[in-house]
Amino acid sequence: GDSVTQMEGPVTLSEEACLTINCTYTATGYPSLFWYVQYPGEGLQLLLKATKADDKGSNKGFEATYRKETTSFHLEKGSVQVSDSAVYFCALSDRVGSQFYFGTGTSLTVIP
Amino acid sequence: NAGVTQTPKFQVLKTGQSMTLQCAQDMNHEYMSWYRQDPGMGLRLIHYSVGAGITDQGEVPNGYNVSRSTTEDFPLRLLSAAPSQTSVYFCASSPPQGAPGVQFFGPGTRLTVL
Repeated sequence: GDSVTQMEGPVTLSEEACLTINCTYTATGYPSLFWYVQYPGEGLQLLLKATKADDKGSNKGFEATYRKETTSFHLEKGSVQVSDSAVYFCALSDRVGSQFYFGTGTSLTVIP
Repeated sequence: NAGVTQTPKFQVLKTGQSMTLQCAQDMNHEYMSWYRQDPGMGLRLIHYSVGAGITDQGEVPNGYNVSRSTTEDFPLRLLSAAPSQTSVYFCASSPPQGAPGVQFFGPGTRLTVL
């Protein structure tokens, strides 16, 4: 069945460092791909999405490109801030949006 | 818009007790779902609904019941609570097809079963 695998954390970075969180997926069709972010004590929020191959999602300085050939959707940011400290979840959904699959989450802590 | 609301925020139960976690959304979303979040396991889908009167099981449905009598509400019932159901529960909703996978999450209910 469909699934998402993302790199395990926790990840600790200094402010202004580069971030990459790896995510790969397995899917039978042509899924949509997402990154969600969860700040402490809150629910998940959509960070960015891509709905077809080679699409690049971006938001708040974060980017991820839908790579069909490598079945990947890695999250990147060139310069992280303390306010980026959160748990990041990679996710996919099938085309009709009736099934969703989340990765296990990667905790990011950014220190000043 | 209040978005997705969940009550209560915190709950402590004894083994064998029953309770209902409430979830409501005011965005007229057809799709609603319940997840549980456990350390190291991410979010796991419990039940979901694609519209009023329609529900289906997710990955971990045992011990939980749902119903969807209105578009707005999607309560989750624990029939006989067990310590293994200690978790954080999130309700989510999605707009109709055209934006698949864009889910809006509630703030969560932290449940402890003693």
